[in-house]
Amino acid sequence: QPVLTQSSSASASLGSSVKLTCTLSSGHSDYIIAWHQQQPGKAPRFLMKVEGGGLYNKGSGVPDRFSGSSSSGAERYLTISNLQFEDEADYYCATWDTDTRVFGGGTKLTVL
Amino acid sequence: QEQLQESGPGLVKPSGTLSLTCAVSGGSIRSSNWWTWVRQPPGKGLEWIGEIYHSGSTKYSPSLKSRLSISIDGSKNQFSLKMTSVTAADTALYYCARISPIGVIDFWGQGTLVTVSS
Repeated sequence: QPVLTQSSSASASLGSSVKLTCTLSSGHSDYIIAWHQQQPGKAPRFLMKVEGGGLYNKGSGVPDRFSGSSSSGAERYLTISNLQFEDEADYYCATWDTDTRVFGGGTKLTVL
Repeated sequence: QEQLQESGPGLVKPSGTLSLTCAVSGGSIRSSNWWTWVRQPPGKGLEWIGEIYHSGSTKYSPSLKSRLSISIDGSKNQFSLKMTSVTAADTALYYCARISPIGVIDFWGQGTLVTVSS
C-alpha cells in the first residue's frame, strides 16, 4: 500500500508564500493525492486534489491563494501565497488504493 | 451542499462497543459516493477506519478489521460504525466523511469525541 511522507512542521511570515510537500512511496509516484486543512479545534476541510501531471482541482470556496503542483516524480505540493494568520493549521495529504486509504503524518504550519 | 453529522455516546467503557451514526443531509446516501470513517487521537494525526458504498460493500483498515462493522441505512440517509472490544487507545475524535466518485474525501463531518474510560 502507498505511504505518504510530510515534514512535521513549517513556518513562514505573514504575507509571504510557503510550499508544503507530500512524498509518495516507491511504486506509487503516479497516485492522485488530496490536501486537507485542519485549523485548530476544527474538523478537516478538503482543499484540493493533485494529480501526477500537476493538474489540481480545488474544493468549493477554497481561496485563489491556494494552489497545487507536482514534480516529475513522487512529490505533490501545496503552495499558499499571501499567507494569512488564518492559514495557521495542520495540513494533511491523503491517497488511496483499491482496498485502503492513507494519510500523511501532517505538517503543522506556523504563520510568523 | 451536503452536510454530515456524527452522533453517539461520548463515553464507552473498556471492552465495550463503540457505536456511532453519521446523518447525511443535502444529498442522497444512495449517490455514487463511498462514505467513510476517520479518527484522530488527541494531539495526533488522521487514521482511516473504513468505508461503505450504498450497495453495502465495505473496506476496512487491516489493523482494525477484526473489531469493525460499518453499515448503511438508505431509508434514513445515514451510515453507522460499530467497534467492539475498545480500549483507551480507541479514544479519539471520530469523523464521518464523503468520498467523491473519483476517490477523494471532499466533505467532512464536524467530528465527535469518544472517550474510552471506566
